[in-house]
Amino acid sequence: AQTIHQWPVAEIKAVGSPLSLGCTIKGKSSPNLYWYWQATGGTLQQLFYSITVGQVESVVQLNLSASRPKDDQFILSTEKLLLSHSGFYLCAWRGQGRDTQYFGPGTRLLVL
Amino acid sequence: QQKVQQSPESLSVPEGGMASLNCTSSDRNFQYFWWYRQHSGEGPKALMSIFSDGDKKEGRFTAHLNKASLHVSLHIRDSQPSDSALYFCAASDGGNYKPTFGKGTSLVVHP
Repeated sequence: AQTIHQWPVAEIKAVGSPLSLGCTIKGKSSPNLYWYWQATGGTLQQLFYSITVGQVESVVQLNLSASRPKDDQFILSTEKLLLSHSGFYLCAWRGQGRDTQYFGPGTRLLVL
Repeated sequence: QQKVQQSPESLSVPEGGMASLNCTSSDRNFQYFWWYRQHSGEGPKALMSIFSDGDKKEGRFTAHLNKASLHVSLHIRDSQPSDSALYFCAASDGGNYKPTFGKGTSLVVHP
């Protein structure tokens, strides 16, 4: 069975500080990976997606970057946090074709 | 324009009642649909997929797809307070299958 793990569970950070969020998928080879941002009770805003190691496509510019250093790992980062970065960050994976997309448990970020 | 529209934005039903959620795509290429449910503080969980015209039933949940109108609905019978959540519809085309999500419907089931 596939599992998806996100870290950290929650973060409180200061404006202007750096950030790194991680996501690991186990039990699935070569998954398509996604990062989403969600305001409280809000819509799912897709940020990045990756179909293979080293390849990341940006969907929306939010002063964030993403990398896929390994087949099972997806990293979201920024060097300078803004207040607007607060929210819920979700990592997701999907197989090929019409496979369903599966989400991780999320990371809650509060920027003060 | 939002390619996947959901209605209503919010819905309140009594416990034991039927909840009906709607989703329409404005993109003719979007032929594949999924429903997700998200409880507060958790990641969305896939409820069901539907790719063919007609009904698909899983327990208390029934999805109905009309490909001609690109409309899919989700019906929850015998609604329970634990069904209170945000429900998302997602759709994709037959190319890269990358899903596009609607804005969600907030469902409250009150005792």
